[in-house]
Amino acid sequence: DAGVIQSPRHEVTEMGQEVTLRCKPISGHNSLFWYRQTMMRGLELLIYFNNNVPIDDSGMPEDRFSAKMPNASFSTLKIQPSEPRDSAVYFCASSLFSGASSGYTFGSGTRLTVV
Amino acid sequence: DAKTTQPNSMESNEEEPVHLPCNHSTISGTDYIHWYRQLPSQGPEYVIHGLTSNVNNRMASLAIAEDRKSSTLILHRATLRDAAVYYCILTRSGNTGKLIFGQGTTLQVKP
Repeated sequence: DAGVIQSPRHEVTEMGQEVTLRCKPISGHNSLFWYRQTMMRGLELLIYFNNNVPIDDSGMPEDRFSAKMPNASFSTLKIQPSEPRDSAVYFCASSLFSGASSGYTFGSGTRLTVV
Repeated sequence: DAKTTQPNSMESNEEEPVHLPCNHSTISGTDYIHWYRQLPSQGPEYVIHGLTSNVNNRMASLAIAEDRKSSTLILHRATLRDAAVYYCILTRSGNTGKLIFGQGTTLQVKP
């Protein structure tokens, strides 16, 4: 199993540009989570999906952020337009949801730098 | 959601056991106790979880107090590769299992 695959690993973009981060969850997992990590705020849950349906997006910081999961094997997190304060490491995680005892598998993250 | 309290940092010597404490005095009866760790420049990694009984796996042991208001993650022989941030997290049954991370404990392992 290749684990959770995120792309790209690094992204540098100019302020105002659109950025799309991608995630392929582990095959068979039915829950997917997007997190953001900064030194100041630590790991923050942005949004999560269950069976491809967004369940809770209360962590999405602004309307500039959007996430989709068109099928069970792919999800995107889009920032449009990007701002320097969006610079962070973005992690995707998946789990075979079985309630509060589920274990998550995280990807290696995408380091986003907005200049 | 019930909160957890962990020391900001701890030090250990290589090949010695490490006991990482976590307080969760407001834990409810259906809350699971999870431990994850994050190695430098990597995503968080599942370590272990439990509900009431102590748990063992190849990575670590989880000791849960009888009143469940605290728990301890035990690394039996620390190696340099165990240097990481360790997170103690509670998940509530019926809350879809989402993980909310705190600041964790930064473990330094000295050779």
